[in-house]
Amino acid sequence: ILNVEQSPQSLHVQEGDSTNFTCSFPSSNFYALHWYRWETAKSPEALFVMTLNGDEKKKGRISATLNTKEGYSYLYIKGSQPEDSATYLCAFHGSGNTGKLIFGQGTTLQVKP
Amino acid sequence: NAGVTQTPKFQVLKTGQSMTLQCAQDMNHEYMSWYRQDPGMGLRLIHYSVGAGITDQGEVPNGYNVSRSTTEDFPLRLLSAAPSQTSVYFCASSSVGLSLFSTDTQYFGPGTRLTVL
Repeated sequence: ILNVEQSPQSLHVQEGDSTNFTCSFPSSNFYALHWYRWETAKSPEALFVMTLNGDEKKKGRISATLNTKEGYSYLYIKGSQPEDSATYLCAFHGSGNTGKLIFGQGTTLQVKP
Repeated sequence: NAGVTQTPKFQVLKTGQSMTLQCAQDMNHEYMSWYRQDPGMGLRLIHYSVGAGITDQGEVPNGYNVSRSTTEDFPLRLLSAAPSQTSVYFCASSSVGLSLFSTDTQYFGPGTRLTVL
């Protein structure tokens, strides 16, 4: 059974704080790691798809890094804003599983104004 | 371009009833999947399809059937609903060929909230 773990489970920060959270995944048979942003009452929306060890992706104030050898990815949010409040999901795509994504439980971020 | 659409948005069933959750996409995506979302459990894959006529089981397939007769549609059938199937169901699609390991992201539908009494 493939295990994808995210930590922390939830996070409360003040507006303007920078924050980061972790996604751990199997280091063998890696193909891709996906990050999604999921706002309450909406559908998950894609942030990044990462495939290469050492990959770093950025979208505005949000960035992500990838370490496939040790099996982890970090998501960073610089200068958090209330509109960043959401659940952030990572999903592991193994090379042996055509198209199957295994999701972590998510990190729920609450940014207080 | 509507993306991924799901119907109904909400449904209440009695134990033992059957129903079909509809999912359609207009992006000509090969890959479609169904997830259920339960508190503290994240998204769990129920069934998926890599193309018309091809389906396979995910992590939690029991109690659900799928078929993929067209590229556009991927309905999920509950054969005999149970309270344990109370959940929010999401359909997703992405562009992937039958033998490709695509890095394309998945596009999610708006979800169907199902309650089984």
